[in-house]
Amino acid sequence: GNSVTQMEGPVTLSEEAFLTINCTYTATGYPSLFWYVQYPGEGLQLLLKATKADDKGSNKGFEATYRKETTSFHLEKGSVQVSDSAVYFCALTLKNNDMRFGAGTRLTVKP
Amino acid sequence: GAVVSQHPSRVICKSGTSVKIECRSLDFQATTMFWYRQFPKKSLMLMATSNEGSKATYEQGVEKDKFLINHASLTLSTLTVTSAHPEDSSFYICSARGSAWNYGYTFGSGTRLTVV
Repeated sequence: GNSVTQMEGPVTLSEEAFLTINCTYTATGYPSLFWYVQYPGEGLQLLLKATKADDKGSNKGFEATYRKETTSFHLEKGSVQVSDSAVYFCALTLKNNDMRFGAGTRLTVKP
Repeated sequence: GAVVSQHPSRVICKSGTSVKIECRSLDFQATTMFWYRQFPKKSLMLMATSNEGSKATYEQGVEKDKFLINHASLTLSTLTVTSAHPEDSSFYICSARGSAWNYGYTFGSGTRLTVV
């Protein structure tokens, strides 16, 4: 079936450190891939997306590249800030299907 | 951009009562809406898929008589937790998908339900 495997957390970094959160997927067909962010007590916000192989999604300094050969969509940011502390979810969707989420990775950035 | 409004954001109710949660797409028509439940420090668990004008499709293990879903229009879906019990306390989140499936879903801000 369709699924997303996401790097287990929690992840704790110092401000200005480099961030990578790994995400791999299994899907029948050609999914669209997403990263969502959830701040405490809130719903999910779309951070970035990629709809086909080799696409790079980017937003707020975060980037992720759709790698079909490795079925991956790793999230990266060159220099994290305290305000980036949140839970990050990798997700996929296929046409006419629901969205499948990874387990979520909690990121804490310390000053 | 697409906005989904979810209300209420927090609700406390007594055991045995029912609670209705609304999910509205404000600036687009949502042919499909989804209801998720999220336990503390856990991922989102899909409860059901709601299609406008038809019965909801429930995931395995979700009691359809307990979690009533109505999607009466292209902009509104409701989740009613009937005869609530403390174990129903959770964070419930809706999302809506418009016609462009590959552009992602828009999520509501969630409802924190506490049953006492």
